[in-house]
Order: sequence, then structure tokens, then C-alpha cells
Amino acid sequence: QQPVQSPQAVILREGEDAVINCSSSKALYSVHWYRQKHGEAPVFLMILLKGGEQKGHDKISASFNEKKQQSSLYLTASQLSYSGTYFCGTEGEAAGNKLTFGGGTRVLVKP
Amino acid sequence: EPEVTQTPSHQVTQMGQEVILRCVPISNHLYFYWYRQILGQKVEFLVSFYNNEISEKSEIFDDQFSVERPDGSNFTLKIRSTKLEDSAMYFCATLRGAYNSPLHFGNGTRLTVT
Repeated sequence: QQPVQSPQAVILREGEDAVINCSSSKALYSVHWYRQKHGEAPVFLMILLKGGEQKGHDKISASFNEKKQQSSLYLTASQLSYSGTYFCGTEGEAAGNKLTFGGGTRVLVKP
Repeated sequence: EPEVTQTPSHQVTQMGQEVILRCVPISNHLYFYWYRQILGQKVEFLVSFYNNEISEKSEIFDDQFSVERPDGSNFTLKIRSTKLEDSAMYFCATLRGAYNSPLHFGNGTRLTVT
């Protein structure tokens, strides 16, 4: 069962912040975040493991709430290069499991 | 940095024809996957492959699909008799180990079935 992402799309001005949410109905081992530019492959941003940790990648950070089976990706002081589609991928309890991706959130950062 | 390499980058075929998509995984990676993405839609899991056998497959991966790693390097996806709805971007992805490992995607093969 695929995770649910929200919102489906967001438009920002350069320098603004945004939050993308990813929730699952199943127990999660980890959550992965990827960004895909148009016509390109998804590129890995970060992994969050159960334990409620937070991680950062430049001014992009994320949290993982194991109890709520949710993860959020925070785009802070957005840059033009942040434009793309963001996918969360969730992994179940068995190690080496496939990633199941959410429907994606399209982010457009305007000057 | 090592990359996952996919060939061809674009394949056009007629309905009913067989196609083989090829992937060269990163050399020390153990888990291999095929995903597909219909234009503008989400990335969908097709199949995972570990220790020379399929470990999991989705409902999409029916009898028309097969995977193999014949020579220990290339990882291939074969579609026996293509349908119009098979038109999509097909991504190969590989994983180094079981834990804390990011999925590395190839650049994809765009399959167009006419």
C-alpha cells in the first residue's frame, strides 16, 4: 500500500518555506526522500530510520514520527534549484524490502 | 561516483514485439530493482532481485515480464509481447546493503510502444 503525500503541488517564491508530508497506514522501518527533475531519474536526498530522528541536507530537512507513521520534509528558504517533484519512499520491517513511493509533490520555486 | 547505467536510453517498438532493457548495477550492490514511471505519474515498483532470484514482484509484473542477470553483471528486464500501456520510463535501481542504504537509480529507458 503506497504512502500518501500532501500537498500534491506547491508554488513558492524564492526564500519561502514549505512542508511536504508523507503518511503510511503500515508500520515503517524507514522513510526515504527523493527529488526528481523533469526527464531525469530520482535523486536521493535522505533516509530517516525509526526513532523519530531528524536529518538535514543543505536547507532541506526531514523528520520521522514512528508512532504516527509519518514523515515531513521541510524546504527552508527555498532556492530555484529546489524545483522538482519530491517523492517519499517507505520501507517495511523486513530489511532489503522494496521502496514503495508516494504519488509525489510537485514543487515550483519562482524568482 | 559509481553509477547505475541503463541502455538504451530510448526504445521504440511495435505492439506485440519483445524488448529487453539492460542495466549495469554498481559493482558492490546486492539488491536490484526495476521501477516504472508512466509520464507525469508516480514511480511504481515492478520487481526486486537478490541472490540471483526474484525476491518480490508487484501485480504489474505479470507473465509478460521477466528478469535475469545472466552474466553476473547485466541485469535485464524483458517484456515478451509489448502493449501500448507498457509505454513508460523504466528505471533500474540498486541497493548496496540491507540497512541504511539509499536506492541508486539509473537514468532510465524511455519505452514507447506504437
